[in-house]
Order: sequence, then C-alpha cells, then structure tokens
Amino acid sequence: GAVVSQHPSRVICKSGTSVKIECRSLDFQATTMFWYRQFPKQSLMLMATSNEGSKATYEQGVEKDKFLINHASLTLSTLTVTSAHPEDSSFYICSARDYREEKLFFGSGTQLSVL
Amino acid sequence: DAKTTQPPSMDCAEGRAANLPCNHSTISGNEYVYWYRQIHSQGPQYIIHGLKNNETNEMASLIITEDRKSSTLILPHATLRDTAVYYCIVRVLPGGGADGLTFGKGTHLIIQP
Repeated sequence: GAVVSQHPSRVICKSGTSVKIECRSLDFQATTMFWYRQFPKQSLMLMATSNEGSKATYEQGVEKDKFLINHASLTLSTLTVTSAHPEDSSFYICSARDYREEKLFFGSGTQLSVL
Repeated sequence: DAKTTQPPSMDCAEGRAANLPCNHSTISGNEYVYWYRQIHSQGPQYIIHGLKNNETNEMASLIITEDRKSSTLILPHATLRDTAVYYCIVRVLPGGGADGLTFGKGTHLIIQP
C-alpha cells in the first residue's frame, strides 16, 4: 500500500521554541493531508485539513496562528508548532488520501515533548 | 457521519480468532464501514473496509449484517503483534471524502500468550 513518511519521530524542545514536523507521501500525490493530535490514553483528534496550494482548514478550538500548516507541493505538508509550551506536548500524526485507493494512509507519528 | 459503538477492551488467546464487534445502527445507505488499528506509539494502520458485502483480505475479514446496523472484524489467527486499539469508522465517501476520519475510542484488543 501507499506510504506516508513523517519526520521526526521524536523531538524534545525548550518552551518558547518552534518545531516543524514534515509529512510526505512517498509514492502518490496527495492533494489533501490531515493533521491529528493524540494525548495519552485518548483517541486521535483531527486538528486541520491541509490542501495543496491553499490555506489549511482548522477544526474548532485549534489555533491557526500556533499550528502553522504549509502544503506547498503534492507530496509534502508541514506542521509548525510555534512558541511551543508544555501543554503542546503530544503525539502528532499526519495522514494523506490516496485517490487511487479508497482509504487514508497515516504517518508513524511524532512525539513532541516541550520542557 | 453515523456514530459507532465498540466495547472498550477485549482479550483473545494467541492463535485463536479475534472477533471485534461494532454497532452502527444509524448508518446510512451510502456509508462505508472502515476498520483501522493503532499499535502503541504508532500511526493508525488501515485494515479493511466494506459497504454491504462481506470482505476479506490478507489481514482480516469484515462481516456486515444484512441490515448494516452492525459489523464484526475477524482476525483469523491472532498473534501477539495484533495487540492494538481497533477503530471502527463509518464514512459517507470512500477514503473519507474531503474530511479526515473521525476516530472514536475504539477497542483495545489484548492478545494473551
């Protein structure tokens, strides 16, 4: 099946710094990618929908100025957590839709720890 | 999207068939049933999906009742590596349409040695 690569898998940063997470579709073009956040022992929560060449659509309660999303090409979307704080510590997961197949594929996730 | 109801946890002995139920009594005629699983600290993995016919692939079988109000995911010979949280998701369009999948709490399947 299609592969979605997410990098880095783990990042530790100081409070106030910014962190960029990359999500790549390796063998297909993804006009739409999705970003999720997952806190310990909870389910995945959709944060935003990333559309190639246009602005991302954010879910209610997600700060667009804090979680910057860029989808500049058909194979790459990035999520930047700006001025990270300890409460932003979470597991971030991206997914991409392969229009050739009737399903979404997910990256392996990024564990963000803000000290 | 139709809501789904799954048991929070299940145990299954290694080598036996694991049968995971899902209720989706408000499902619409054009909604598909998708199953994903998430192994600890990894991204979700697609397992199988179907509309109304039973489906089988190399990972599992999906049995959908005739009235489509419930379904069962069957892992025929469970191994320890099948321990994960299994999510049953109902969507209008295949692939999730323009919106991302909405995840419930899923079933935590624990395979016992």
